[in-house]
Amino acid sequence: ETGVTQTPRHLVMGMTNKKSLKCEQHLGHNAMYWYKQSAKKPLELMFVYNFKEQTENNSVPSRFSPECPNSSHLFLHLHTLQPEDSALYLCASSQDMTGYQPQHFGDGTRLSIL
Amino acid sequence: SQQGEEDPQALSIQEGENATMNCSYKTSINNLQWYRQNSGRGLVHLILIRSNEREKHSGRLRVTLDTSKKSSSLLITASRAADTASYFCATVETYSGAGSYQLTFGKGTKLSVIP
Repeated sequence: ETGVTQTPRHLVMGMTNKKSLKCEQHLGHNAMYWYKQSAKKPLELMFVYNFKEQTENNSVPSRFSPECPNSSHLFLHLHTLQPEDSALYLCASSQDMTGYQPQHFGDGTRLSIL
Repeated sequence: SQQGEEDPQALSIQEGENATMNCSYKTSINNLQWYRQNSGRGLVHLILIRSNEREKHSGRLRVTLDTSKKSSSLLITASRAADTASYFCATVETYSGAGSYQLTFGKGTKLSVIP
């Protein structure tokens, strides 16, 4: 148990569907992250939240919409996705954003776009 | 943008042997971290080494950092089948002004330990 729980673990959706990924952390951390992991590519940082405020949006297409209602929960709302969006989506949290605290990852949501 | 780059991309060894993975990066860093990812799971933090440190140990893990060469190595001694996983280095660079930091990951080394 890493203390970071992601649901669902697997998701198959059509390009016109709308779905949401959920992440919950039980570690009392203040920062939360969404990453995209594609085959043969480095982990890509998508969004960063610190104390519920979005601090980074790394040029992510608007079909991905994050939401952070509190420091323990993070959502990624998906709509009108493309086949190239098929990937493993990882959520992570850290105590702070000094860069000297390790990030704790969930086991990810494997997303497949039909 | 990619910062760390691991070498080799894949490594296969016998149980009991040592495994060495290397990481090179391009810019100045505050610290470098190593993570492990088992198949189908998330990343797990292994060790963090600061830019003013040269070597760090944690159990069977030994990490070195050479800032002049912009490189780091991860040594796993007396490997076990359970060490089979992908290993990633990640660097922390300083962002000007904001005071926040991000991890930039490499593509990873896939380690297979054969029983």
